Amino acid sequence: QSVLTQPPSVSAASGQKVTISCSGSSSNLGINFVSWYQLLPGTAPKLLIYNNNKRPSGIPDRFSGSKSGTSATLGITGLQTGDEATYYCGIWDSSLSAWVFGGGTELTVL
Amino acid sequence: EMQLVESGGGLIQPGRSLRLSCAASGFFFDNYAMHWVRQAPGKGLEWVSGINWNGDILNFADSMKGRFTISRDNAKDSLYLQMDSLRAEDTALYYCAKDVLPVAGTLGAFDIWGQGTMVTVSS
Repeated sequence: QSVLTQPPSVSAASGQKVTISCSGSSSNLGINFVSWYQLLPGTAPKLLIYNNNKRPSGIPDRFSGSKSGTSATLGITGLQTGDEATYYCGIWDSSLSAWVFGGGTELTVL
Repeated sequence: EMQLVESGGGLIQPGRSLRLSCAASGFFFDNYAMHWVRQAPGKGLEWVSGINWNGDILNFADSMKGRFTISRDNAKDSLYLQMDSLRAEDTALYYCAKDVLPVAGTLGAFDIWGQGTMVTVSS
């Protein structure tokens, strides 16, 4: 069982918006900064969001991140079929002194 | 172009050892912390361990403590993972990942990943 909790799957229609939640605790999301990763089959994982809400160069502004208390959210607008992937939240856990990831959320674009 | 290329995976019998390597290029390797992350078949991402720019080793995930060792050679722009006493549950795709900071921790993130090297532990 993951330290961070994500829904196993989400779906939305092409062109619409979807949000993916990530729930943690006071030792991780409560005090540290979350990042989000996209995993497409057969490709290297890609960093989408870091420091809760910052996008690396090259990541479109369709992707956004937010954090409140011990929860974080990844938002994707203008959904495209190419966004079908599994998304993971990740963060440093200060109690474990270790990085932890959520269980992953599989996105389906209808 | 910043790139990480893992190697050293393969089919290995339970109880044996394997050493994974990760070759970095396109960035100043000795300026950043580095990590190993694995993904078992059909499972999610699992952090294995990390090492700061100066060689200080971070914690290991509990299931790997005492069996795995992480190291780096800044002169060779390379990261390593020594895996001993391998078990069937260590079967996974092992990724090398670059941290955005020289010291891993609260503000870190993994901005560059390799394609991974597959380790299969089976008799």
